[in-house]
Amino acid sequence: TQLLEQSPQFLSIQEGENLTVYCNSSSVFSSLQWYRQEPGEGPVLLVTVVTGGEVKKLKRLTFQFGDARKDSSLHITAAQPGDTGLYLCAGVFMEYGNKLVFGAGTILRVKS
Amino acid sequence: ETGVTQSPTHLIKTRGQQVTLRCSSQSGHNTVSWYQQALGQGPQFIFQYYREEENGRGNFPPRFSGLQFPNYSSELNVNALELDDSALYLCASSPQGMVDTEAFFGQGTRLTVV
Repeated sequence: TQLLEQSPQFLSIQEGENLTVYCNSSSVFSSLQWYRQEPGEGPVLLVTVVTGGEVKKLKRLTFQFGDARKDSSLHITAAQPGDTGLYLCAGVFMEYGNKLVFGAGTILRVKS
Repeated sequence: ETGVTQSPTHLIKTRGQQVTLRCSSQSGHNTVSWYQQALGQGPQFIFQYYREEENGRGNFPPRFSGLQFPNYSSELNVNALELDDSALYLCASSPQGMVDTEAFFGQGTRLTVV
């Protein structure tokens, strides 16, 4: 059983559409990070959320952290082909020694 | 300020061989973590080094070992390679006092075991 579940696993949409990716855990996150990874590259940090209920915006990306700090979502508005990639959420859990635990990722493909 | 760099970028090894992967941490970072990422999966934590000492280990066998040097660069060694060790190996460095809260990744080393 994965400590951290991401959904959906794969998303293929048309340019201009909106989408939401979810990240859930049965444990409380000390903090949560979202990364984007392109083929052959390492993950690149997009955002870190720490406070329950926190909402952060990064251009067309909106990140939410659940009130109970057990879930998070990434919403992309008007997706563009350049958004294509693997989106990973990663949580820090106190009971796991404050190490980053990654979800399996969501592969996003935006078609023009 | 240089980022995290890993070498080599690609490597092919035969089952049973040993391999050493290298990572130079970002300037000012004294914590290095190693991850294994199988195709289509998220990265799995192998271990972390903080000021030259191992500071936590994931669910990997002892044939996965590491080192951190005084300049905070690091090595990952894998002995007795198995086919399942084929993966992208990622190194991430973190600034002092912020262990794993702000991790910056290298581009990875793609290891293929045949």
